[in-house]
Amino acid sequence: DIRMTQSPSSLSASVGDRVTIICRASRGISAYVNWYQQKPGKPPKLLMSAASRLQSGVPSRFSGSGVGTDFTLTISTLQPDDFATYYCQQSYTTPRTFGGGTKIEIK
Amino acid sequence: EVQLVESGEGLVQPGGSLRLSCAASGFTFRTYEMHWVRQAPGKGLEYVSGTSSNGRITYYADSVKGRFTVSRDNSKNTLYLQMDSLRPDDMAVYYCSRESIGGTGAFDYWGQGMLVTVSS
Repeated sequence: DIRMTQSPSSLSASVGDRVTIICRASRGISAYVNWYQQKPGKPPKLLMSAASRLQSGVPSRFSGSGVGTDFTLTISTLQPDDFATYYCQQSYTTPRTFGGGTKIEIK
Repeated sequence: EVQLVESGEGLVQPGGSLRLSCAASGFTFRTYEMHWVRQAPGKGLEYVSGTSSNGRITYYADSVKGRFTVSRDNSKNTLYLQMDSLRPDDMAVYYCSRESIGGTGAFDYWGQGMLVTVSS
């Protein structure tokens, strides 16, 4: 199975900060990475597919990049609604494994 | 409106069985791959199982292979997960999810989730 390693596992940030989350795949997966946002007690919400394709309705302050093994999710200007846990997922093959998650907390 | 509604949650003893269902509406169910993802209390997301649109191809995480069986009834727009030989570490919120069409493999819709408790 492909292992997805996210870093950091948590971070503290302030409204207005620029935040970057890293996801590394255990082997090359082209651009088959998706990013999800999850808030407590809710199901995950798809933010981005194919590494950089923003889903409809997702604010443009979210962006993604990467190909091969290294991927990033960036929030350009953190907003109060963005405090949540973020997960990467590879969809290159099955099982469609997830990263361990990155929790963004208010500083 | 796309909806995925899970049912079948409950408390089961170690070694027991439980069957989860996910009723789909608002889209042409038979054309989509479907998956199960779980989340243990306070933990991250874990892929569990999935099935091709016609149900002929199935996928499993190593942690559940041989114990869980995924299936679907396209005439009833319903996805199932039969869970046998349950263990305490299977305790989690289980989500059903739809894989988007278009080749990205992303899970674009999720159910609200249901808690499976494995305890004696």
